Amino acid sequence: EIVLTQSPATLSLSPGDRATLSCRASQNVNNYLAWYQQKPGQTPRLLIYDTSNRAAGIPARFSGSGSGTDFTLTISSLEPEDFAVYYCQQRASWPPITFGPGTKVDVK
Amino acid sequence: EVQLLESGGGLVQPGGSLRLSCAASGFSISHYAMHWVRQAPGKGLEWVSIINHSGGTPYYADSVKGRLTISRDNSENTVYLQMSSLGVEDTAVYYCVKDRGYCSGTRCYTSWYFDLWGRGTPVTVSS
Repeated sequence: EIVLTQSPATLSLSPGDRATLSCRASQNVNNYLAWYQQKPGQTPRLLIYDTSNRAAGIPARFSGSGSGTDFTLTISSLEPEDFAVYYCQQRASWPPITFGPGTKVDVK
Repeated sequence: EVQLLESGGGLVQPGGSLRLSCAASGFSISHYAMHWVRQAPGKGLEWVSIINHSGGTPYYADSVKGRLTISRDNSENTVYLQMSSLGVEDTAVYYCVKDRGYCSGTRCYTSWYFDLWGRGTPVTVSS
């Protein structure tokens, strides 16, 4: 089973700041990595798949990069609605697919 | 409106059983693999199970293998999760989730990414 670790656990930023979230895999996942956003009391939403492809309707301020074992989700300029928990997920080795523990982006 | 609506959750004693249902609307599930993903209170996401578009080849997380059974009825546009021998560790919100892939005729692609989530149904295992 591939283990994903995310850092930092919490990221305290202000609206307008740039957010950089990291996800590291215990083994090579090629580019088979996705990012999800979950706001309090809401269901997760797919943001990015296959490392860098934005899902339908996702704003351009969200971008993904990386390869192999190290990946990054960047939010170029935080909007008030972006404060949430972000999870990475790999599909390189299944089953099972696995999620990271999440990074919470909160207001500084 | 395209949506998934789960039902069937509730309070059950350890060792008990429940059957979750997931009714899709606005699209036909027959073209898609479907998953269940769960989230324990205050915790992260855990993939539980997948069933392919035609109902074959289910896979399960090791933590639920032998106790949970996924099935589907494409004619009813519904996915099910039969849960038995439940333990306190199964307490979670259970989400029905659509795979981002697609099946057309004999050509199928399962992406193992999740692009439509239901609102979830809570399952509490407690005495």
